[in-house]
Amino acid sequence: EVRLVESGGGVVRPGGSLRLSCAASGFTFGDYGMIWVRQVSGKGLEWVSGINWDADSKGYVDSVKGRFTVSRDNAKDSLYLQMDSLRAEDSALYYCARSQTRYFDWLPDCWGQGTLVTVSS
Amino acid sequence: EIVLTQSPATLSLSPGERATLSCGASQSLYNNYLAWYQQKPGLAPRLLIHDASSRATGIPDRFSGSGSGTDFTLTISRLEPEDFAVYYCQYYGRSRWTFGQGTKVEIK
Repeated sequence: EVRLVESGGGVVRPGGSLRLSCAASGFTFGDYGMIWVRQVSGKGLEWVSGINWDADSKGYVDSVKGRFTVSRDNAKDSLYLQMDSLRAEDSALYYCARSQTRYFDWLPDCWGQGTLVTVSS
Repeated sequence: EIVLTQSPATLSLSPGERATLSCGASQSLYNNYLAWYQQKPGLAPRLLIHDASSRATGIPDRFSGSGSGTDFTLTISRLEPEDFAVYYCQYYGRSRWTFGQGTKVEIK
């Protein structure tokens, strides 16, 4: 069974940092692009970042460029999102998702359950 | 940057009725790379339609997508009780995604 499990969310003060992780199982992780999507409670979806299968190409939404860094460890079947200089507007439920292809800009076919990030003083 | 605008924001219908949801793009979408998702409370989004009109695996045929260029439609031919949810359109395939703001289909 294909499974994605996010972790690392929590409460952090503005300007702080968090590192989200996404543990993959049930498939060959290194064969797929991966994506982070966030959702503010009761609001819509926002694509945050993506990374190709070999980590050679990455993308970010403009609002997180220079603050967030996506990475992966194919040997550990894991995806990461390092979030620095956090702002209140980064508070959201963060989902990781698997792309249908090796490239992050394609459709997802599997999602995790999400991990909640709250940025508050 | 492409902006997707969904309408209406809320659609109040009864089971058995037809639902028509719209998604407008601020510019023509490359290869009509437009997807539709369904999201229920507490759950991750579920892919319904890709490439504007192709149903994803396992999606019932009461869901259909149409449109091209800048105007797209999701139609649910006869609403089932489990179809009441929020629906999002999404543009993909060009290094970043864009979502519409969503349409809530609620029970009248």
